[in-house]
Formats: sequence, C-alpha cells, structure tokens
Amino acid sequence: QKEVEQNSGPLSVPEGAIASLNCTYSDRVSQSFFWYRQYSGKSPELIMSIYSNGDKEDGRFTAQLNKASQYVSLLIRDSQPSDSATYLCAVNTPSGGYNKLIFGAGTRLAVHP
Amino acid sequence: KAGVTQTPRYLIKTRGQQVTLSCSPISGHRSVSWYQQTPGQGLQFLFEYFSETQRNKGNFPGRFSGRQFSNSRSEMNVSTLELGDSALYLCASSAGQGAGEKLFFGSGTQLSVL
Repeated sequence: QKEVEQNSGPLSVPEGAIASLNCTYSDRVSQSFFWYRQYSGKSPELIMSIYSNGDKEDGRFTAQLNKASQYVSLLIRDSQPSDSATYLCAVNTPSGGYNKLIFGAGTRLAVHP
Repeated sequence: KAGVTQTPRYLIKTRGQQVTLSCSPISGHRSVSWYQQTPGQGLQFLFEYFSETQRNKGNFPGRFSGRQFSNSRSEMNVSTLELGDSALYLCASSAGQGAGEKLFFGSGTQLSVL
C-alpha cells in the first residue's frame, strides 16, 4: 500500500462547477497535510495546509481533514480553466520529529469552458 | 526575498556518468529536501538536510547522495547513472523547525540520461 494515495484522473469538470479531489494516507500518526498545485512544466506551489479535523476555507478552496478515516480532500468552488493543473496531496510522516513530506502521485484536473 | 534556486535547469548525461545538482535555499531557511519526480511515480522523497546533517532518507540506492554546506546550500550527486534516473529533480527549503512546515520548491533540474 502506498503511503499517500490519490486518483490520478484526469478529473474533468465544467467551468463554474465544484471540483472535488481526494487523498488517503496510511500512517495514522501523521499530523500535517498539504495540497500543492503543479502546472505543467512548473514546480509545485503550496495552496492549502490543514492540521485539524474539519474544514478550512481559503477563497475558492476548502480543505477537509478526517483523521479517523485517514482522508484529506480539496474542494475548488467556481472552477476556472486556470485551475487546470495537477494537484498533489502531501502528508508529513513522522520521522524523528522532522520534515519528511510524502506526496501522492497527484490528480490531474481539467476545467473546460 | 529570492526563492529557491536550482542549477543547472537542464542536464543531459550518458549511462555510467555521474552528475551533481545544486540547490540554494531561501535566505534563512536551514532545511533542504530533495525529491525525484517522474510521470509514473510522482514525487519521491530522496533526503532532507538540516545544518549540514542528513535527518531523513528515502528509499533510493546508495548511488544517490547529498550534502549540505554551512551556508545551507545543498548538492545532490548521482553516480553511475542509469536510464531510469531520467527525471525532474526538485529541491525544497523550509526553516527546518519541525514537522508541519511548508516547503518551498525550486524550479527543478531536468536530467536526461541517454
């Protein structure tokens, strides 16, 4: 079992719709969770972080965390063509208390006009 | 503040050669992590350095090594290159104060092994 799993997609949604991206992780003691966006040919950029169970909203983005189910999700409201990218879920896996950020393989999102 | 700088941007090597990649973190950041990104495997953790010490290591063979200098700049070395080492190598920096920190990525070095 992979440490962080995501559906590779592509996830295709029409402009203005809600895009829902999901991620599961295997290490129960993980405490920090991140969503990165990566445009084709570019490096990943952080868009959301979440540390507690529940929802965290930032503009059109909402991250959701359920530690009991080991599940993290990202909702993108009012999706725009500029949101078309690969979304990477990253989980901080404890390793001596230091950073060992493990990434999922990413979900490719395509927003069509 | 300048971002994370990686050099070179592109590299072409042949099998059996070795290669050294460089990463300069954001000023003040003491932690540097390295990742390999391939279309099939996604982002795979190589290792993380903090204050010149390797704190974490991923599941890569010993051909992959790294080091960090006193100014926090880091280098990654791959010896005896194989075709499967062709990938985008990304480094990321953070303050290094513990789990939960955000990573800031450089633009990467695209390595092609022929």
